[in-house]
This record gives sequence, structure tokens and C-alpha cells, in this order.
Amino acid sequence: GNSVTQMEGPVTLSEEAFLTINCTYTATGYPSLFWYVQYPGEGLQLLLKATKADDKGSNKGFEATYRKETTSFHLEKGSVQVSDSAVYFCALSENSSASKIIFGSGTRLSIRP
Amino acid sequence: NAGVTQTPKFQVLKTGQSMTLQCAQDMNHNSMYWYRQDPGMGLRLIYYSASEGTTDKGEVPNGYNVSRLNKREFSLRLESAAPSQTSVYFCASSDPYQGFTGNEQFFGPGTRLTVL
Repeated sequence: GNSVTQMEGPVTLSEEAFLTINCTYTATGYPSLFWYVQYPGEGLQLLLKATKADDKGSNKGFEATYRKETTSFHLEKGSVQVSDSAVYFCALSENSSASKIIFGSGTRLSIRP
Repeated sequence: NAGVTQTPKFQVLKTGQSMTLQCAQDMNHNSMYWYRQDPGMGLRLIYYSASEGTTDKGEVPNGYNVSRLNKREFSLRLESAAPSQTSVYFCASSDPYQGFTGNEQFFGPGTRLTVL
């Protein structure tokens, strides 16, 4: 079945450091890929998405490229801020009606001032 | 637009008690979902409703029931709560027919449930 694997946390970085959170997936067909972010005490918010191979999703300085050949969707940011501290979830969705989203286990990111 | 709303925000139950978690969305979405979030396990789908009048089991349906009351509302019921159901519960909605969004889901703020 479909699945998502992302790097385990927690990840602790200093402010302005470079961030990479790895995500790989297993899926049949051509899924859409997402990164969601969860700030403390809140629900999940969509951070970025890509709906086909080689698409790059971007938002708030974060980027991720849909790599079909390596089945990956790694999240990157060039210079993190304290406000980026949150839990990040990689996820995929089959492109069919009312389809379910499969989430990775989440990566907790903490940024030191 | 309020998006997806959930009530209550917090709840403490004793083992064996019942309760219903409420969810509503004002985005005219066809599909709605209930997840539970446990430490280190990400989100797991409990039940979903592809459209008004239909419901289907997800990954972890045991111990839960759902009702799609109308297009806006989707409730989750625990008939006899158990400590293993202590979790944070999230409701979400989506609509693949409202333009091609890749089935993006919109989440509520969550209900934190403790079963003693």
C-alpha cells in the first residue's frame, strides 16, 4: 500500500541555519505530495504542495521538489527562524475523488535563537 | 469564513462514558475526515465521508462511530470510552471538485481527549 517515510526528529538548529527534512514515499500511480505544518496547540496547515513530477512547491521560504525517480519530496529552507519551530508532516494523496491523505509520522523542529 | 470548527476543545472522560465530537465546515466541501494524533505516530484516519450520506472506515475505526448529519457537519462518537482512546482528534475537509487542488485537506483546531 501507499506509505510515507520521513526523518525522525527532533531536529534542533540555530537561527539562520539551512534546513532539510527528508521524505520518501511509496505509491501506485501519480500521487499529489504535501508538506503540512503544525504549530504548538494548533491543527495542521498546508505549507506547500506539488501535484506532478518535477513540480516545485514553495511557501514562506520553504521549498520541496517532487522527484519521481527517487520517490522523494524533501523539505528545504535556506535560513530558518525561531518562528519556524513546529512539527512538519510529509503526506501524499492519490489523485482520485474523495481520496485519503497518508501522513508521515512528523518531524519536530526546534530553532535556537 | 470560519473554515473547519470543532467542539469541544478539551474533554476528560471516565472509562465507559460516551461522548460525541462535533465538526462543521463552511467551505461547501463534499468530503470530511476524522483523524487521531498520537505521539510518534502522525495522524491516523478513523473514518471519512466522501460525500453527504456516505461514510467509510479508515485505518483505526474500532471503538468509534460517525454520522454525516448534512453537508456541513460530521460527528464522531465514542460509545464506551477506553484509556487507549486518549488522543488529540482532528477533523478535516476537502473537495477535489472545487478546482484541481490535489485533494488538499483543511483541518480544524483539534479536540484533546483524556480518558481516565
